[in-house]
Parts: sequence; C-alpha cells; structure tokens
Amino acid sequence: GIQVEQSPPDLILQEGANSTLRCNFSDSVNNLQWFHQNPWGQLINLFYIPSGTKQNGRLSATTVATERYSLLYISSSQTTDSGVYFCAVGYSSASKIIFGSGTRLSIRP
Amino acid sequence: DTAVSQTPKYLVTQMGNDKSIKCEQNLGHDTMYWYKQDSKKFLKIMFSYNNKELIINETVPNRFSPKSPDKAHLNLHINSLELGDSAVYFCASSQGAQQETQYFGPGTRLLVL
Repeated sequence: GIQVEQSPPDLILQEGANSTLRCNFSDSVNNLQWFHQNPWGQLINLFYIPSGTKQNGRLSATTVATERYSLLYISSSQTTDSGVYFCAVGYSSASKIIFGSGTRLSIRP
Repeated sequence: DTAVSQTPKYLVTQMGNDKSIKCEQNLGHDTMYWYKQDSKKFLKIMFSYNNKELIINETVPNRFSPKSPDKAHLNLHINSLELGDSAVYFCASSQGAQQETQYFGPGTRLLVL
C-alpha cells in the first residue's frame, strides 16, 4: 500500500519563529489534506490541497503531486500552534485514506 | 451548533462488555467515517459510509459493527471489548465520497480495563 512519511517527527521552536513541515508519499494520490490536532485532542482541517498552493493567514501549504510531496508552512508561530500536524492522502477509486504519523510541534513562549 | 458530535466523550468499561458510540453530523454531508487513534497518536480509518452505504471497510475485527440509520448518523458498536480496543475513536464527515475536506468530531476516549 501507499506509504506516507512526515518530517520532522518533532519540532520545538520559540514563539515568532517560522517552520516547514513535510509530507512525502510513495505513489500517486487523488487528494491530500493537512490537519492540526490541538493539545486537547481536537482535529481541525487546515487545507484540502491535492495540488498547488493555498494560504490561510499565517499558514500556507504547497503540494507538488508529480514529485509526491506536500509542505506546510507556519509563519510567526504562536503558542496556540502547538500540537500534532498530520497529512492524510486519499488514493484509488476505493476512497482509501492514509494518515502520516504526524509532526509534533511545540512552541515555547 | 456543533458540526460533528459524538457521545459519549469518555467510556470506561470492563473487558468482554459490549458498547456503542454514537455520531451525528448536521452539515448535510453524504459521507461519514470512523477512525481509531492509538496511544502513539497513529490515526487509521476503520469504516466509511456514503448515503448509508458501506464504502470502506478496513481490516477491522468483526467485533466492530458500524450502523448508519440515516446519512446524518453513523454509530459504532463494539462487541466483547478487549484491552487492545482502548484508543480514541473519531467520527468524521465530508460532502462526498472522494475524500473531500473532512470534519472531525471531538473523539470518544475508550478505556478497557
């Protein structure tokens, strides 16, 4: 089956720093989503981004489907950005969905 | 109004018991999902229903049985609970079945003793 790898697994930054999270996938996908799981466990959809670039405030994402990766950029980090960031890919006509293992981001005040 | 809701939020039970988790979405979506998140935060899809019809059924023990009485509800029944079933179970929904933007419920934390 398709493999989804996220890097880095852990990231500790000071408030105000910028960061780039990466998601690599091993085969063609139909779509890709980025999620944030906050420290209370809630999963929030950040981007639905099968290709191209999207921006939402301090967050932006780019997916290069032909090269099988996606990047999530967080600028001017705030403590509320802490949590785990997941990418999830959808593939095949059977609506399969695979999540990566996540990047745990800790923002220090 | 909560978009995707789950009940209960916490469930503590003994091995061997049968339990149910309920999920409801008020977004008018056609597709609903159940995910399991283990203690290492790994998320895995279990089931997906589109318009009350099962479309994804991953390799999940048949002690787990989903039921969709209508497209706004997807419940999960678990028979003969085992220690390894302890996890957080998330319900989610999306407009269509082609893995569009998914909206997650708050999760149900299940602990089997």
